[in-house]
Amino acid sequence: NAGVTQTPKFRILKIGQSMTLQCAQDMNHNYMYWYRQDPGMGLKLIYYSVGAGITDKGEVPNGYNVSRSTTEDFPLRLELAAPSQTSVYFCASSHPAGDSYEQYFGPGTRLTVT
Amino acid sequence: DQQVKQNSPSLSVQEGRISILNCDYTNSMFDYFLWYKKYPAEGPTFLISISSIKDKNEDGRFTVFLNKSAKHLSLHIVPSQPGDSAVYFCAASTGGGSEKLVFGKGMKLTVNP
Repeated sequence: NAGVTQTPKFRILKIGQSMTLQCAQDMNHNYMYWYRQDPGMGLKLIYYSVGAGITDKGEVPNGYNVSRSTTEDFPLRLELAAPSQTSVYFCASSHPAGDSYEQYFGPGTRLTVT
Repeated sequence: DQQVKQNSPSLSVQEGRISILNCDYTNSMFDYFLWYKKYPAEGPTFLISISSIKDKNEDGRFTVFLNKSAKHLSLHIVPSQPGDSAVYFCAASTGGGSEKLVFGKGMKLTVNP
């Protein structure tokens, strides 16, 4: 299993440009998440999904959109990039089982908006 | 309002000694706690967890202690190894089916040979 994969690894955007961060998992997990991590800070939840066709906002959703058409994929869309969106983005997935809440993370995408 | 707090940004210990990483939380609805380890340029990896019905969970060199009345948990690493040098994040969940995690800011652990 590849686990959770993210593309691209790095990206530089100009202000106002758009892009999609890709995330895929091959563990058949129902739950998927997008986080951002700013320097010196913890991870903050942007959006999450509990299954195909179901998405919901997290703590910091402004400026982002998501879709979940399949169990495997959970892309994150930035429509009008702003410098405040410069961050490292992590995708994660999990599968609820009993009291298990572990999330499995991808390697991250480092995004710079200039 | 930070619900999960890791008040010390860094810790340095000697190889073979104990590392103690602390975490405090404010939301009494949290019922599951996790520790993640993160190396530079990688995603966080799950280390150990504890349910609120327990006060201790052990996995090899790693032990997590939970004090619900104090809203405090700690991660003990014994003995510490240079490969343990990383950033450690404390996270908490209220469960309820969404499994959303709230993370602390992280603590950088350096284990010196």
